[in-house]
Amino acid sequence: NAGVTQTPKFRILKIGQSMTLQCTQDMNHNYMYWYRQDPGMGLKLIYYSVGAGITDKGEVPNGYNVSRSTTEDFPLRLELAAPSQTSVYFCASSYSRGPYEQYFGPGTRLTVT
Amino acid sequence: KNEVEQSPQNLTAQEGEFITINCSYSVGISALHWLQQHPGGGIVSLFMLSSGKKKHGRLIATINIQEKHSSLHITASHPRDSAVYICASPGDNDMRFGAGTRLTVKP
Repeated sequence: NAGVTQTPKFRILKIGQSMTLQCTQDMNHNYMYWYRQDPGMGLKLIYYSVGAGITDKGEVPNGYNVSRSTTEDFPLRLELAAPSQTSVYFCASSYSRGPYEQYFGPGTRLTVT
Repeated sequence: KNEVEQSPQNLTAQEGEFITINCSYSVGISALHWLQQHPGGGIVSLFMLSSGKKKHGRLIATINIQEKHSSLHITASHPRDSAVYICASPGDNDMRFGAGTRLTVKP
C-alpha cells in the first residue's frame, strides 16, 4: 500500500493565482483531513471529510475549498492565493473519528509571493 | 492558552542521555497521540494511548487522563532520534496539536 500520497511536493504561486493540492489514500479510510503547518506552530485543521460527499470546516478554512467525490481522493483548492497561505500542507486519513491513528502524507511546501 | 501545550520547545542532549518531553492538554476525549516529524518533514505516528504506559523499543509514553498530562521518554538517546516530537489530542472529528518539541541528540 502506498498509504497517503500528496502532489505536488513543492510549489511557488504568485499572489492571486489558484491551485489544487492533490491527496489520495489507498487504505479505504472514511476520514480524511487537510492541515497546514506554519513555522513554530502546531498543525491546524483546514477541512475534514467523514466520507464521500461529506466535508466540513476545521479551525482555519478561509481561503480554501475541498471536495470529496470518492473515498480515495480529497483535493484542497486554493483560490486567489495570498502570502498568508505560505505554509506546509499535510493531508491525513484515519479509519474513524476520535482516538484512531492518523496516517499522514509527505506534505506540500507552498510559497506565495 | 493553547489547548495542547508541550515542553520544552527545544531540547539538546548528548547521545545516551534519557530524554523526557511533556504534554498537557485541556481538550479532547480520553486519548492522546505522540507523533514524530523527521527532519525531511514526514510525520509518523509513534503512540496512541488512553491509559497507563506504552513501550516501543527505546520509546516509552505515559498518560494520566485525570490530570490530562502525558510524557514521552526516550532511553539511551541516539542522534537518529533527532526530530520534532508532537503530541495531539483527538476530538470528535478533529485533532488538536501541540507546537512540537525539537530534539537534537549530539554524538
